[in-house]
Amino acid sequence: GAVVSQHPSWVICKSGTSVKIECRSLDFQATTMFWYRQFPKQSLMLMATSNEGSKATYEQGVEKDKFLINHASLTLSTLTVTSAHPEDSSFYICSARGLSPEQFFGPGTRLTVL
Amino acid sequence: GEDVEQSLFLSVREGDSSVINCTYTDSSSTYLYWYKQEPGAGLQLLTYIFSNMDMKQDQRLTVLLNKKDKHLSLRIADTQTGDSAIYFCAETGYNQGGKLIFGQGTELSVKP
Repeated sequence: GAVVSQHPSWVICKSGTSVKIECRSLDFQATTMFWYRQFPKQSLMLMATSNEGSKATYEQGVEKDKFLINHASLTLSTLTVTSAHPEDSSFYICSARGLSPEQFFGPGTRLTVL
Repeated sequence: GEDVEQSLFLSVREGDSSVINCTYTDSSSTYLYWYKQEPGAGLQLLTYIFSNMDMKQDQRLTVLLNKKDKHLSLRIADTQTGDSAIYFCAETGYNQGGKLIFGQGTELSVKP
């Protein structure tokens, strides 16, 4: 299957700082990328959908000013957690979809906010 | 909203077949997926099936879809210890732009 990468794989930051997570589709063009959050032993919670060149669509209850999403190219989307707090600590996973129905996931980013 | 349900745990012996079940509510479901997640990792796409198909086989994996009952299953033949993981069922509906609705995940434990 196609490859989606995420960077960094883990990050520890102080409360109040901002953290940027990158999601790249390495061998296909991703017209749509999705950002998820996963808590331990739970399923994935969709945060937002981003289409290349347009504003992201956020799910209900997700603060768009806190979780900034940019999808500037067909191979790169970024999620910036602004003014991070301990409750933002989580496993963030992106996925990417091109023209086919297959949706491929990145390896995830573990964020720990102290 | 639409819902996807899975049983939480399944334990099998190495060499046996595993069957993981999933039910969904979306009548306009177009594609259904099975993903595998190992600890600390992302999701690996195992297979997917179009909603007008009844069955799809790929090596040790067999997917069965009963659209009338909105029931999806994943059978893993000759289950190995390396198959131990959490398996997620997901579906996307017509005009959803690819947005996936996930089940809670089934933790498969394979005992030697």
